[in-house]
Amino acid sequence: KNQVEQSPQSLIILEGKNCTLQCNYTVSPFSNLRWYKQDTGRGPVSLTIMTFSENTKSNGRYTATLDADTKQSSLHITASQLSDSASYICVVIKTGTASKLTFGTGTRLQVTL
Amino acid sequence: NAGVMQNPRHLVRRRGQEARLRCSPMKGHSHVYWYRQLPEEGLKFMVYLQKENIIDESGMPKERFSAEFPKEGPSILRIQQVVRGDSAAYFCASSVDRSDIQYFGAGTRLSVL
Repeated sequence: KNQVEQSPQSLIILEGKNCTLQCNYTVSPFSNLRWYKQDTGRGPVSLTIMTFSENTKSNGRYTATLDADTKQSSLHITASQLSDSASYICVVIKTGTASKLTFGTGTRLQVTL
Repeated sequence: NAGVMQNPRHLVRRRGQEARLRCSPMKGHSHVYWYRQLPEEGLKFMVYLQKENIIDESGMPKERFSAEFPKEGPSILRIQQVVRGDSAAYFCASSVDRSDIQYFGAGTRLSVL
């Protein structure tokens, strides 16, 4: 079983709408959690980083939340744009292994007109 | 400041040949990481290097795979005697230090015929 599970697997929304992506993890002990955006054929790009003590972090239209007690995180995208079409990957870093990222399989988002 | 540069972008090899994947980190970054992404799967950590040293190779297959990061020049991921199962996208990332954000290259897509 993957240590980082994401849902939904894929999602299609209309331009201008909001959406929320979910991430559940079992990695322990937990150091920090990151959301990455990966465009087709490109490498992942960091969107947000949250440590154990942070509950929310925003980056423009992206807002990530973290509940370390339930080991859940979400990424909320506001007023979606066509350029938001990409895979969104939840990444968890285990304490003491700062170099080794554990990736979820991602949510594939498609924004349409 | 150019980002992480990987080449080639696409590499085709026949079974039994060698594959060499190159990664030039961002300027000022001395930490390099290699990840592999199989189709429809998340990225998996392979190896972490810091100039001339392998720090963590726990994700590297025991045979046929090797990595180096010489004092001068790019980091090299070398796959000897490739097999069809080696077909994947190989991503390189770099960071200033081990706890910093990892910046990813665009990846090398290896196809083994």
